[in-house]
Amino acid sequence: DGGITQSPKYLFRKEGQNVTLSCEQNLNHDAMYWYRQDPGQGLRLIYYSQIVNDFQKGDIAEGYSVSREKKESFPLTVTSAQKNPTAFYLCASSGGVATNEKLFFGSGTQLSVL
Amino acid sequence: GENVEQHPSTLSVQEGDSAVIKCTYSDSASNYFPWYKQELGKGPQLIIDIRSNVGEKKDQRIAVTLNKTAKHFSLHITETQPEDSAVYFCAAPQGAQKLVFGQGTRLTINP
Repeated sequence: DGGITQSPKYLFRKEGQNVTLSCEQNLNHDAMYWYRQDPGQGLRLIYYSQIVNDFQKGDIAEGYSVSREKKESFPLTVTSAQKNPTAFYLCASSGGVATNEKLFFGSGTQLSVL
Repeated sequence: GENVEQHPSTLSVQEGDSAVIKCTYSDSASNYFPWYKQELGKGPQLIIDIRSNVGEKKDQRIAVTLNKTAKHFSLHITETQPEDSAVYFCAAPQGAQKLVFGQGTRLTINP
């Protein structure tokens, strides 16, 4: 079955530690996105990538980094510079004619600080 | 940039009744408006979308209406069922590559 796989489902970060969230898709989509979701709030865009080896900052990129070395993979690193990392992180890819249409989302990673 | 406001933040309806969620947007050039449904512990799923060249679109019990003049669009769910309980998000495009999401509406269907 085609889809987006995020791992792990739950992740804990210690002070000063970088952690990496995995996102893999087998939908053959070019565009991929990372969103952050806080309780009672909408989804806020962290980073997005339209094509391999290229990515752009979203609205809340500070304290995060990404890479896009393969079409299928778009990992997100939450660095120690992100002072409030506790949130639900969602990865998505786009299957629409325009890349911001018809997003397919993964099941998310809940990140908490120890 | 685009700004999307969504109301209400919570909505509770009796099973079988209708539910309406409304969103307003700021950019008059926006031309695509999707609605996503998020069940507990899962990622959002696209349930319906509309382009600005039509005023209404239906898919079984779900419909979306668009008022370009007033810059608002609404999600209508008729004959609600328990499985409709979820958080619903509207969105509007910011440029050709990004979506701006509303704050979400938690819909509860009471048996």
